[in-house]
Amino acid sequence: SQKIEQNSEALNIQEGKTATLTCNYTNYSPAYLQWYRQDPGRGPVFLLLIRENEKEKRKERLKVTFDTTLKQSLFHITASQPADSATYLCALARSGGGADGLTFGKGTHLIIQP
Amino acid sequence: GEEVAQTPKHLVRGEGQKAKLYCAPIKGHSYVFWYQQVLKNEFKFLISFQNENVFDETGMPKERFSAKCLPNSPCSLEIQATKLEDSAVYFCASRTQFSPLHFGNGTRLTVT
Repeated sequence: SQKIEQNSEALNIQEGKTATLTCNYTNYSPAYLQWYRQDPGRGPVFLLLIRENEKEKRKERLKVTFDTTLKQSLFHITASQPADSATYLCALARSGGGADGLTFGKGTHLIIQP
Repeated sequence: GEEVAQTPKHLVRGEGQKAKLYCAPIKGHSYVFWYQQVLKNEFKFLISFQNENVFDETGMPKERFSAKCLPNSPCSLEIQATKLEDSAVYFCASRTQFSPLHFGNGTRLTVT
């Protein structure tokens, strides 16, 4: 069956360091992969999208890599700040858009310590 | 509007009662999705719509759950005869064909 795995343990990182979160998947051939941020009591907020033919995507302090051979995406936050503390969700889509629902991992709870 | 609006924020129902949740998608977004999040675990996909038409309802427990997206009305998710295990946060999201999902802030349903 299709499966998405993210580090389920909380990840504690010291402020200023780079936080790296992992998303592994099996039995998928996703058209693209997305990363979302979820704060307590709020809905997820879209951060970055990377397509199957892209290796890396950047946005300000965020970087995402996508290795379809390893079936893995890495999500990096450089120069981390306490405000980056949140749960980060990886999501996969089978097709390119439309009404095809995303499948989410359970998320990684990131804590940036001052 | 520019945000997905979900109402109510909190809903408490006794076991066996009906629950109805509402979602106003972002104007211009043709696709609407409902997800269930239980105890901060992964999101479970319930149903998706393209305009008022059901696109995919493979995640819906059909015997008690139903959903609609009618023109000029908020979308709705209704649970007949709620069970304790239905306690969760229900998120609605909308998108255009090529945009990411835009989520509302959810409705927390507590079944007692």
